Amino acid sequence: DGGITQSPKYLFRKEGQNVTLSCEQNLNHDAMYWYRQDPGQGLRLIYYSQIVNDFQKGDIAEGYSVSREKKESFPLTVTSAQKNPTAFYLCASAYSGAYNEQFFGPGTRLTVL
Amino acid sequence: AQKITQTQPGMFVQEKEAVTLDCTYDTSDPSYGLFWYKQPSSGEMIFLIYQGSYDQQNATEGRYSLNFQKARKSANLVISASQLGDSAMYFCAMREGLGQAGTALIFGKGTTLSVSS
Repeated sequence: DGGITQSPKYLFRKEGQNVTLSCEQNLNHDAMYWYRQDPGQGLRLIYYSQIVNDFQKGDIAEGYSVSREKKESFPLTVTSAQKNPTAFYLCASAYSGAYNEQFFGPGTRLTVL
Repeated sequence: AQKITQTQPGMFVQEKEAVTLDCTYDTSDPSYGLFWYKQPSSGEMIFLIYQGSYDQQNATEGRYSLNFQKARKSANLVISASQLGDSAMYFCAMREGLGQAGTALIFGKGTTLSVSS
């Protein structure tokens, strides 16, 4: 079955630690995205990538880093520089083109202890 | 300025009734797309419906329709015959620059819909 997987579903981190959230897709999509959602809020864009080995900052990239070494994978690292990382993180992917509905993964809930 | 505005934090409707969720947008790009997503309590984002800026007719998908008023820059979602399973958060989103590859969606803050029996 084609889709997007994110792991882990729940993640707990101590302050000062870096953590990496996984996002994998087998939909053959070119573009991949990372969003952050805070309680009762909409999604805000962290980073996105249109092709392998290339990515762009979104609205709230500070304290985050990404890589895109393979078309299928777009991991997100939450660094210790991110002041308030507790949130729900959603990964999405889409075909590049005039119309691109984004397909979302199930999300990772990160809690900083 | 917000690009996507959803002014209704919460809406309540009874089963089998229709409900309209409001969305207004702001863009100077003539080529854009408007999307609605549903987010149940599980957190997954489910795509519902899409409207392109050049589409002449309002989009429909089953019980969902999009009331697109371009001059007013509004893209309201209409859910007909509400069901208990429609209870969720609903997000309006926009993508500008449809001629460009891979640009991201801009989301509103969402409307929580509660359907009662």
